[in-house]
Amino acid sequence: GESVGLHLPTLSVQEGDNSIINCAYSNSASDYFIWYKQESGKGPQFIIDIRSNMDKRQGQRVTVLLNKTVKHLSLQIAATQPGDSAVYFCAENLSNDYKLSFGAGTTVTVRA
Amino acid sequence: GAGVSQSPSNKVTEKGKDVELRCDPISGHTALYWYRQSLGQGLEFLIYFQGNSAPDKSGLPSDRFSAERTGGSVSTLTIQRTQQEDSAVYLCASSLTRGARTDTQYFGPGTRLTVL
Repeated sequence: GESVGLHLPTLSVQEGDNSIINCAYSNSASDYFIWYKQESGKGPQFIIDIRSNMDKRQGQRVTVLLNKTVKHLSLQIAATQPGDSAVYFCAENLSNDYKLSFGAGTTVTVRA
Repeated sequence: GAGVSQSPSNKVTEKGKDVELRCDPISGHTALYWYRQSLGQGLEFLIYFQGNSAPDKSGLPSDRFSAERTGGSVSTLTIQRTQQEDSAVYLCASSLTRGARTDTQYFGPGTRLTVL
């Protein structure tokens, strides 16, 4: 079935470097995408979202890029900090739906 | 309250027993969602409530699962005759307005259910 997925389950990053977390989706009807961060023992926390009529959106230290041609979504974190260590999920929903479909997540570990 | 709260934070039960999980959404949020997160996996949608409308139960995995939302606020997810495969973290989320799909869903900390 169609689903949202992440390219790599783990990512190790040196503190201060930039992080890039990738996500591929297969449903061309998806037109709204969200990135969540989940720390151990906590629920997912909203980071940033993007609609399909955009290809880039920036927040504080984060940038989301959307390439609809290849159905690819990425989250870039600038100057990664120890507090960025967490599991990152991409999620999507369809134009006529409110349920979120989540990928399996990428675990980001920041090395001091 | 300041955020979505859930109770209990942890629940250990024996196979075959019934369990109830509680969710208190953010005050004023009309949409409420339940998701399940198995170990190392993403979130799986279970059920959605919006105001006084009939809930969307399409994600419930079996008829042992049910949920209700009283007074448009607190919700309870009930699992009857629990099985070991029900072991997971159960997450509740709420969103502000009419459940429009682009409303940000705010998640609670979850209830970790372990069925022995």
